[in-house]
Amino acid sequence: QLQLVQSEAEVKKPGSSVKVSCKASGGPFSSHAINWVRQAPGQGLEWMGGIIPIFGTPNYAQKFQGRVTMTADGSTNTAYMELSGLRSEDTAVYYCARDQLFCTGTTCSNAFDIWGQGTRVTVSS
Amino acid sequence: EIVLTQSPGTLSLSPGERATLSCRASQSVTSSYLAWYQQKPGQAPRLLIYGASSRATGIPDRFSGSGSGTDFTLTISRLEPEDFAVYYCQQFGGSPLTFGGGTKVEIK
Repeated sequence: QLQLVQSEAEVKKPGSSVKVSCKASGGPFSSHAINWVRQAPGQGLEWMGGIIPIFGTPNYAQKFQGRVTMTADGSTNTAYMELSGLRSEDTAVYYCARDQLFCTGTTCSNAFDIWGQGTRVTVSS
Repeated sequence: EIVLTQSPGTLSLSPGERATLSCRASQSVTSSYLAWYQQKPGQAPRLLIYGASSRATGIPDRFSGSGSGTDFTLTISRLEPEDFAVYYCQQFGGSPLTFGGGTKVEIK
């Protein structure tokens, strides 16, 4: 069974960058999209974007365009999310999640079926 | 952007009771592209339902999903103590992917 293990918590200064890793083990990695979702303290879930490692082309939410970079290294089964220009509003837990395709006959559905444990990023001066 | 509105914000119920959670979309969502998640404090979300009505692996049959178009429902037939949590719906029908604001199911 695939597991996603994320990097440890980070404390960053405003204006700096953070790079969070998500390492896959125990299952297929490169052919599934790895998405990034964040959750500010006490708030809901927010999709940031995703990348299919085998293709390498990311898809970002417009809100994060210009500030986020998502990459994947198939040789190490690791996906990365780098967020630059950090501000206090970026304080959140950042999750990676596998986008799985479930098909029954000719009908297919997407869902995030496996999640990392989350990485807490605190932005504070 | 497809906005998902979940109601109620908080549902106060007792173990054994039935929970009905609503997720309303600002525009029609293909049923195949609607999922539900459960999240407990300090944990990552867990997939419950995909394709609006199909249970994910290992999810008990007291959880069921239904709906189409703009109105979707997650039903928990008889609440168990471990079901008290926050529930989110998510749509994959348009970019950006969006989540609802969540419904907290708390013990009455």
